[in-house]
Amino acid sequence: AQSVTQLGSHVSVSEGALVLLRCNYSSSVPPYLFWYVQYPNQGLQLLLKYTSAATLVKGINGFEAEFKKSETSFHLTKPSAHMSDAAEYFCAVNPSSASKIIFGSGTRLSIRP
Amino acid sequence: DVKVTQSSRYLVKRTGEKVFLECVQDMDHENMFWYRQDPGLGLRLIYFSYDVKMKEKGDIPEGYSVSREKKERFSLILESASTNQTSMYLCASSLGNHQETQYFGPGTRLLVL
Repeated sequence: AQSVTQLGSHVSVSEGALVLLRCNYSSSVPPYLFWYVQYPNQGLQLLLKYTSAATLVKGINGFEAEFKKSETSFHLTKPSAHMSDAAEYFCAVNPSSASKIIFGSGTRLSIRP
Repeated sequence: DVKVTQSSRYLVKRTGEKVFLECVQDMDHENMFWYRQDPGLGLRLIYFSYDVKMKEKGDIPEGYSVSREKKERFSLILESASTNQTSMYLCASSLGNHQETQYFGPGTRLLVL
């Protein structure tokens, strides 16, 4: 069965520091992988999406994620955190067009001034 | 610009009441989804629809029903609300298959007393 695990329900970094949010997945076939962001009192919006075209995927707001098949990981990074990055981040996996997308439990990112 | 709207941002209902949550999308998307979001559990799929009058159960359909009479509108119904249905409800839509990006509404926070 497919699943996705986000390590750390809460991550806190200083403004200007590196952001690293971890996501590991299990899938029997190369999946589609997503990162969504949810700002306070809003719905989710797509940050970036991996579709097997390139292992390093660039998203909005300076975020990027790297697909590592050997590690079954799709970690999200940003070189320099900004206060506006404070939000909840969800990793999601979908192994095939006929399967439902599966969301991780989310990681809340806090930014310290 | 892509738009998914939900009829209410906040709702307070009493146990046993029938509750309707409405969702409308203006993107001519085939797929529509209802999720509930609870702390530490991420998003869990309640029901989805891939066409007018078509519906499929998600992971937690018990206590819920849905209606899709028109392509742009997908309703979630709580036949007899219970306190354990207090949650944030998110509607989403997407083109075609399950690997397409989902577009989310702002959510409805439901409190059942």
